[in-house]
Amino acid sequence: SAVISQKPSRDICQRGTSLTIQCQVDSQVTMMFWYRQQPGQSLTLIATANQGSEATYESGFVIDKFPISRPNLTFSTLTVSNMSPEDSSIYLCSVERKLAPKPTFFGPGTRLTVL
Amino acid sequence: AQTVTQSQPEMSVQEAETVTLSCTYDTSESDYYLFWYKQPPSRQMILVIRQEAYKQQNATENRFSVNFQKAAKSFSLKISDSQLGDAAMYFCAYRTPQGGSEKLVFGKGTKLTVNP
Repeated sequence: SAVISQKPSRDICQRGTSLTIQCQVDSQVTMMFWYRQQPGQSLTLIATANQGSEATYESGFVIDKFPISRPNLTFSTLTVSNMSPEDSSIYLCSVERKLAPKPTFFGPGTRLTVL
Repeated sequence: AQTVTQSQPEMSVQEAETVTLSCTYDTSESDYYLFWYKQPPSRQMILVIRQEAYKQQNATENRFSVNFQKAAKSFSLKISDSQLGDAAMYFCAYRTPQGGSEKLVFGKGTKLTVNP
């Protein structure tokens, strides 16, 4: 498995502000992902964080709203911009191991509440 | 597009007994991976068990085992000798290995309660 840490673990933010979530992995990984879990819902992939290039976003998610950085193979950030109450969710960082069946391991998540 | 269906929003089991959680999926691929994840109230997603579609043998991990029926596109999770610590949300997930990495597609989850 991989040891993945996220900061902050939780935050309460005001509408219109932005929050940057950090994800740190204990070893170099090829693939890093950001997921969103809305209250009482399943997980939805926001984007794949690519090292050295722009992130790849899923349908319904845009870079202006969720800018992502990946400066190296062990670290990534997700920013939730211009927040509204609808952005209240758990945001999870995940990494994938190379060897089949390529299990995905998740960080502990960041619980975001927007007032 | 691939979809994953968990038809049981909630399940309950008595401590020390066995429970089976259902999962079906829809895909046109022949090779793929399937996973069960556990999410306790701490919200940490924990990988419980994994299955490669090309393997006929069902995966097992201690008290956790799967019944993988490829033709029926079914991937159920059996928890034996249930413990209080097994109480959590359980998510079934699918991934295709083609073209490098593909996203995980999750079911809506099953909330498991373990009664003492």
